[in-house]
Amino acid sequence: EAAVTQSPRNKVAVTGGKVTLSCNQTNNHNNMYWYRQDTGHGLRLIHYSYGAGSTEKGDIPDGYKASRPSQENFSLILELATPSQTSVYFCASGQGGNNQAPLFGEGTRLSVL
Amino acid sequence: GDSVTQTEGQVALSEEDFLTIHCNYSASGYPALFWYVQYPGEGPQFLFRASRDKEKGSSRGFEATYNKETTSFHLQKASVQESDSAVYYCALGGQGTGSKLSFGKGAKLTVSP
Repeated sequence: EAAVTQSPRNKVAVTGGKVTLSCNQTNNHNNMYWYRQDTGHGLRLIHYSYGAGSTEKGDIPDGYKASRPSQENFSLILELATPSQTSVYFCASGQGGNNQAPLFGEGTRLSVL
Repeated sequence: GDSVTQTEGQVALSEEDFLTIHCNYSASGYPALFWYVQYPGEGPQFLFRASRDKEKGSSRGFEATYNKETTSFHLQKASVQESDSAVYYCALGGQGTGSKLSFGKGAKLTVSP
């Protein structure tokens, strides 16, 4: 069964600390995405990848880095976390092509204090 | 840039009411259009898509028709149930950029028994 698994599911971090959010997909999809979800803003794209070794900036990349070391794994890295990055983060994977609908994970709730 | 506008932030209905959630897009050409549904504590789930003018997408009793003239893809359901309570997102597929989606802000549907 197609799956996107995120870890951790919940995270509390301190301002200025480093945070890494992980995502694993077992769908053999080429593309992977990181979105954040905030009330009043919906889902906004942070970074995405077309395959192992590639990362691309989305619409709101500032303050975030991404890493795609393999087909299955895609990480989102906050080098210096700030309270404004408190949010729910979703990873998704998709095969590619204009009509493909990405499959989402269950989300990571991050609080930066 | 390409974008999606959802005007209703909150929709409150009673069971068996008719549902319309509006979605308008701004893009050139014929981008693919999507509806996703998100239940509390879960990630967004793909509902259906359409990619050609006048094409109807549908799933689970929900439907929407791609309208190039009015640049719209409004979600409708004839008779809602309490179990339909969720957040509904309209999304626009990037043309030539794989399955990178731009989402609207979402509409929270609450259905009372």
